[in-house]
Amino acid sequence: QKEVEQNSGPLSVPEGAIASLNCTYSDRGSQSFFWYRQYSGKSPELIMFIYSNGDKEDGRFTAQLNKASQYVSLLIRDSQPSDSATYLCAVNIFGNEKLTFGTGTRLTIIP
Amino acid sequence: GAVVSQHPSRVICKSGTSVKIECRSLDFQATTMFWYRQFPKQSLMLMATSNEGSKATYEQGVEKDKFLINHASLTLSTLTVTSAHPEDSSFYICSAPERGRSTEAFFGQGTRLTVV
Repeated sequence: QKEVEQNSGPLSVPEGAIASLNCTYSDRGSQSFFWYRQYSGKSPELIMFIYSNGDKEDGRFTAQLNKASQYVSLLIRDSQPSDSATYLCAVNIFGNEKLTFGTGTRLTIIP
Repeated sequence: GAVVSQHPSRVICKSGTSVKIECRSLDFQATTMFWYRQFPKQSLMLMATSNEGSKATYEQGVEKDKFLINHASLTLSTLTVTSAHPEDSSFYICSAPERGRSTEAFFGQGTRLTVV
C-alpha cells in the first residue's frame, strides 16, 4: 500500500463548479497535511496546510481532514481555468520534516 | 513567504560529465534541505535529505556516490550529479523548511536536466 494515495485523474470540472480532490494516507502517526499545486514544468507551490480535524478555509479553497478515516481533501469553489494543474497531497509525521507526496491528481477546468 | 532559489533552471550536458545544482534559502536559515527528482507525469520522489554540517541522508535506491550533496552553510545546499547519463535526465527540485518554524516547505524553481 502506498503511503499517500491520490486518484491520478484526469479530473474534469466545468468552470464555476466545485472541484473535489481526495487523498488517503496510511501512517496514523501523520500530523501535518499539505496541498500543493504544480503547473506543468514548474515546481510545486503550497496552497494550504491543515493539522486539525475538520475544515480549513482560505478564499476559494477548503481543506478537510478526517484523521479517523485517514483522509484529507481539497475543495476548490468557483473553479477557474487557471486552476487547471496537478494537485499534490503531502503528509509528514510529527517531529520529522520530511514530506511524503502522493502521485498527484491532474485537474482540468473546462471553460 | 520565504523564498528558495535554485540554479540553474535548465541545463543540458554531455553524457559522462558532472552537473552541479544549487539551492539557496534567501531570507531564512535552513538546517535541512530536501532534494527531489520528478520524472514526467510522476510525483516527486525524495532523493536525499541535506543536513547542514553533516552527511546527507539518502533514500533507499539512491546512489550517494553518484548524487553528491553538500550543505556547506545554513542557506546553501548543492547537488552534484556525477558522470551523468541520459537516464538521469529529470526535473530536480529542492525544498527547505524554515528553521524553527512549521514543516511547511518552500520549493525552489526546479532544474530541468537533460543529458545528451
